[in-house]
Amino acid sequence: DTAVSQTPKYLVTQMGNDKSIKCEQNLGHDTMYWYKQDSKKFLKIMFSYNNKELIINETVPNRFSPKSPDKAHLNLHINSLELGDSAVYFCASSPWGDTRGYTFGSGTRLTVV
Amino acid sequence: GNSVTQMEGPVTLSEEAFLTINCTYTATGYPSLFWYVQYPGEGLQLLLKATKADDKGSNKGFEATYRKETTSFHLEKGSVQVSDSAVYFCALSRDNNDMRFGAGTRLTVKP
Repeated sequence: DTAVSQTPKYLVTQMGNDKSIKCEQNLGHDTMYWYKQDSKKFLKIMFSYNNKELIINETVPNRFSPKSPDKAHLNLHINSLELGDSAVYFCASSPWGDTRGYTFGSGTRLTVV
Repeated sequence: GNSVTQMEGPVTLSEEAFLTINCTYTATGYPSLFWYVQYPGEGLQLLLKATKADDKGSNKGFEATYRKETTSFHLEKGSVQVSDSAVYFCALSRDNNDMRFGAGTRLTVKP
């Protein structure tokens, strides 16, 4: 009964490849997020979607493209992967405007070689 | 913009020691404040929260009080256990749609 599930958990790929990470939540939340966590554990928001509409689009290379087919799914596609993209990517969800905090997935560790 | 600053780690304590991890924030208006915990290899879990000044959040023996006068939300626990070893993140959100995290503080508790 995983609340926020991400696939894959680990992803190792070569520079220049294109890859996708999928995220699904079964909590009935209408807002979803992608965060990037670097090797020093720093968390940076990348995108947020509310009911399939892009709300936050931080300064992220346009090689990163989120896609939300419905409010329960938010996928992240990355083109032309670079070494610096290596990180752990976390998906999260919450009800819009709710102050109870976010529910996070367990993360996808991306390693670009 | 909105941001949080938390004490740098790592923090190493012996079991049953007292824990304080400092967190201060900068924000316009009245944000909600949170502490999240990340155990090795896992995602972040909400530990506690406070939504207005003087509120105290508490969970699993951890506490933090929202201090508007000092713009702080320090995390405390009276007696830590080895199982508390993790990375702790302070965070704030104005409307829960833009959560900003501190840099994280790694806590190691030794038996």
